[in-house]
Amino acid sequence: AQKVTQAQTEISVVEKEDVTLDCVYETRDTTYYLFWYKQPPSGELVFLIRRNSFDEQNEISGRYSWNFQKSTSSFNFTITASQVVDSAVYFCAFQGDGGATNKLIFGTGTLLAVQP
Amino acid sequence: GAGVSQTPSNKVTEKGKYVELRCDPISGHTALYWYRQSLGQGPEFLIYFQGTGAADDSGLPNDRFFAVRPEGSVSTLKIQRTERGDSAVYLCASSLTLDDEQFFGPGTRLTVL
Repeated sequence: AQKVTQAQTEISVVEKEDVTLDCVYETRDTTYYLFWYKQPPSGELVFLIRRNSFDEQNEISGRYSWNFQKSTSSFNFTITASQVVDSAVYFCAFQGDGGATNKLIFGTGTLLAVQP
Repeated sequence: GAGVSQTPSNKVTEKGKYVELRCDPISGHTALYWYRQSLGQGPEFLIYFQGTGAADDSGLPNDRFFAVRPEGSVSTLKIQRTERGDSAVYLCASSLTLDDEQFFGPGTRLTVL
């Protein structure tokens, strides 16, 4: 069965600190996608990134970076120089490519609080 | 362009009543998904449509839940004989094709008293 684990329930940092959100997944699929979504207090899920299982290159987008390691089944998300506006719940998600379904399987989320 | 919209934003109903939740996907998106998010949890898949047909309804919890997408655009999630345990935020998402990322709407918060 496929599963996503976000072991960090809550993280609190002070503005300008770097913070890494962990995500570990389980699957027997060889082809799959991994995602990160942000859910601010307003509640709407905001798409951040999608990575294909064949592309292990790290990705950087402004203050955001992602580290995908198939060897450890991890897809971690780092925010550099955090800001108060980064405060939100962050979800990691998995999507298999077995052909039967395109559903997303989400982790339980990590609540990030950035203090001024 | 407009994102995914959902109506109503909030719905309060009494146990045993019937409710309908509506989702308007992004224009041109062929795939539409419904998820349910309980407090403190990640979204859980309910059903998805490719065009007008339900491609996977394995996440629907029981036969009180039903969804339609008759013209391949707007979708309605229908819940019969609501129970208190149905209280949650119901999220809709759409994607351009099955191979593309899903974009979510703001959700409908359903409260069953």
